[in-house]
Amino acid sequence: RKEVEQDPGPFNVPEGATVAFNCTYSNSASQSFFWYRQDCRKEPKLLMSVYSSGNEDGRFTAQLNRASQYISLLIRDSKLSDSATYLCVGLTGTASKLTFGTGTRLQVTL
Amino acid sequence: DGGITQSPKYLFRKEGQNVTLSCEQNLNHDAMYWYRQDPGQGLRLIYYSQIVNDFQKGDIAEGYSVSREKKESFPLTVTSAQKNPTAFYLCASGSGGYTFGSGTRLTVV
Repeated sequence: RKEVEQDPGPFNVPEGATVAFNCTYSNSASQSFFWYRQDCRKEPKLLMSVYSSGNEDGRFTAQLNRASQYISLLIRDSKLSDSATYLCVGLTGTASKLTFGTGTRLQVTL
Repeated sequence: DGGITQSPKYLFRKEGQNVTLSCEQNLNHDAMYWYRQDPGQGLRLIYYSQIVNDFQKGDIAEGYSVSREKKESFPLTVTSAQKNPTAFYLCASGSGGYTFGSGTRLTVV
């Protein structure tokens, strides 16, 4: 079983839609979680950290449920520019090693 | 501007050849990492270094080597022992929220 699992998608949504991505993790020792965004043939870029209390950054909301070992990302009012692959990432251990999910691809259309 | 620079952007390797990928950062980060990304797979950790003159194997270190002689630099050598080196290689630094370089695409010809 992979440490971090995501639905690969693709999620095809119209502009303005709300879309949610889910991610599960198997290592209960994972300390922190992040969502990264990766555009085609580019490097991943940090989108936001994920907290148990939930956190919001503009149209993006992230949530962590430690009891269910589940992480979510909600994107409201989708824009064409949101089209990318979204990577769910967990931080484990003292060496600050990140473990990446395989990513969920989002395609926003007109 | 602070950041991570990887070079070259594209690299072609002949069978049996060693090649070295460069990674330089001016973010004053102690920790640096090398990842490999294959199509349809997540990033996999090759090597990491938390401090100068020290580094540790990641999940897929076989066929790779690194050095960390300076805080700013963490080069990765892909040796001839790496049987399937064609991939997108990403260098990162930091702790928690990493900063990534723009990557090197290595192709075996």
